[in-house]
Formats: sequence, structure tokens, C-alpha cells
Amino acid sequence: DIVMTQSPDSLAVSLGERATINCKSSQSVLYSSNNQNYLAWYQQKPGQPPKLLIYWASTRESGVPDRFSGSGSGTDFTLTISSLQAEDVAVYYCQQYYSTTLTFGGGTKVEIK
Amino acid sequence: EVQLLESGGGLVQPGGSLRLSCAASGFTFSSYAMNWVRQAPGKGLEWVSGISGDGGSTYYADSVKGRFTISRDNSKNTLYLQMNSVRAEDTAVYYCAKDPAAATLTVFHYWGQGTLLTVSS
Repeated sequence: DIVMTQSPDSLAVSLGERATINCKSSQSVLYSSNNQNYLAWYQQKPGQPPKLLIYWASTRESGVPDRFSGSGSGTDFTLTISSLQAEDVAVYYCQQYYSTTLTFGGGTKVEIK
Repeated sequence: EVQLLESGGGLVQPGGSLRLSCAASGFTFSSYAMNWVRQAPGKGLEWVSGISGDGGSTYYADSVKGRFTISRDNSKNTLYLQMNSVRAEDTAVYYCAKDPAAATLTVFHYWGQGTLLTVSS
């Protein structure tokens, strides 16, 4: 199975500041035939199911604010919240879909400093 | 509007069996793959199983292979998860999640609110 490792486990960021979350896969999730990275990001707020934010490593889901962006390729990926808002407090997960045994990272909790 | 409504959770003894259901509406059910994802209390997300839109292909996490069976009834717009030989470590909220693809497993586009399974004697 492809192991997804996120860092940090948690971070506290001041309102309006940048938050950066990292995700590393144990093998490349870049599919050479279409040059796509099979990597998604989710946001989960307390008491709610997760919400899809980004897929193909950098494509925002419809309705997701543009302060959320994804980057990276191969085995190293980043989710950036450019200007943290109060409603962004949540746990964020990365997920690979390169393999049909789908796997998630362990999650990163984002809080307000 | 896409709606996914899970049911069937509850308290079951170790070694017992239970079947979860997910009633889907607001989209052409048979055109999309579907998945079960679980979350143990206070823990992260774990994909459990997925099934193609026509039901012809099924996929399982190693942790449940041989114990859980995913199926779907496209005439009833319903997804199922038959869970046998359950263990304490199967205790979790089980989410039904719609895939945007038909034949393969990709991302979890829409989620239900989840149903809680507790395995305890």
C-alpha cells in the first residue's frame, strides 16, 4: 500500500496568515501517461463529514475559496491556505488514488493562534 | 441535490455481523462508483471498500478483506456493507461516499453523515 505521511500533526496560525501543510507519499502518485498527480485534499470540521477541497493535486473543487491551493508532484505535496480565516479551523487530510487501495494521510489539525 | 443516508449502525458483539446501508438520491446511482470510509473515535480517516458503478468490480482495504463485503442494488439506489467477524478495532463512524468516476476508485466527492458502529461485549 502507498503510505501517506502528513506534517505537521498540528499547527496554530494567526488570522490572515499563511498555513502550510505537507503530504509525502511512499511512492510516486504521478501517472506518466496523463501527467496527473493522483492526490486529493479534504477538510473536516468537528462533527461533520470531510469535504473535498482539491483533486489532481492542484484543482480546486467547485465552490472552494481561492485562498486554498495545492501544489507538488511525484511524492511531495503541499496544501496552502493563503490567509487563514476563522472558518478554516479544521483537520486536513491528503489522499492518494494512484492505487485502487486508497489511502489517507494521518491528518493535520489547523487552529487559530 | 446529492444525498447519501447511511443506516444500520449500532452495538454488536465481537465476532458478530451487521449490514450497513446507504440510500442515495439526487444522481444516477448506477453511473458512479461508491465507497465506504470509516473513522474511529478521535482518529483519522480510513478507506474501507469501494465498488464500481455496475457492481462488477470491488475493492477492499487489507484490514477488512475476507470479513467485509460491499455490494449495491442499482434498482434501489442503495449501497451495502456486510460486516462479519467484527472486531473491537472496527468501532468507527462509517461514511458512504460517492466517487465522481464510474469504473475506478478516485476521490470522495460527496459524503453522507455517517453511522456509528460500536463493537463491544
